[in-house]
Amino acid sequence: AQSVAQPEDQVKVAEGNPLTVKCTYSVSGNPYLFWYVQYPNRGLQFLLKYITGDNLVKGSYGFEAEFNKSQTSFHLKKPSALVSDSALYFCAVRVTGNTGKLIFGQGTTLQVKP
Amino acid sequence: ETGVTQSPTHLIKTRGQQVTLRCSSQSGHNTVSWYQQALGQGPQFIFQYYREEENGRGNFPPRFSGLQFPNYSSELNVNALELDDSALYLCASGLAGGNYNEQFFGPGTRLTVL
Repeated sequence: AQSVAQPEDQVKVAEGNPLTVKCTYSVSGNPYLFWYVQYPNRGLQFLLKYITGDNLVKGSYGFEAEFNKSQTSFHLKKPSALVSDSALYFCAVRVTGNTGKLIFGQGTTLQVKP
Repeated sequence: ETGVTQSPTHLIKTRGQQVTLRCSSQSGHNTVSWYQQALGQGPQFIFQYYREEENGRGNFPPRFSGLQFPNYSSELNVNALELDDSALYLCASGLAGGNYNEQFFGPGTRLTVL
């Protein structure tokens, strides 16, 4: 069965410091991986995706993610965190086939302190 | 902001009632998916519609049903509401075909069942 795990419920970093939000996955076949961000009382906003190619994927708002096939991980990173990055982050894997179904992790709350 | 809109923003119902939630897809998109996000959890896939037919379904009972209209707008209907149906309901639009297409989410409808 395909699944996604986000091992940390919460990540706290100081503004200006690098941040990492962890994600591991389990899929059969090639993984199609996504990161979304959710602000309070808002829907999900797409950040970035990995389909194939370069293991380092760059996305919106200065975020990037590193795909590691051997460790089945897709960690979200940013070199310098902003207070405005504080939000709920979801990692998701696309189920192969035509349904478009995404399987989400349970989410990680990022808190960036001034 | 995505071009996906949802109505209403909030809704309060009592147990046993029926509810209809609405979604308007982003221009040019031809699929719509619905997700349920319970408090503190990641979104769970309910189903997807393509060409006005259900194109995949998650682990939800038949009292969850949907419609997609020729203009690609969509409805989610839930009959015989239960307390556990209280959640944020998200719709997402996308393009059929290919596992690499990201989905764009609306702001969601917050349903409270009393």
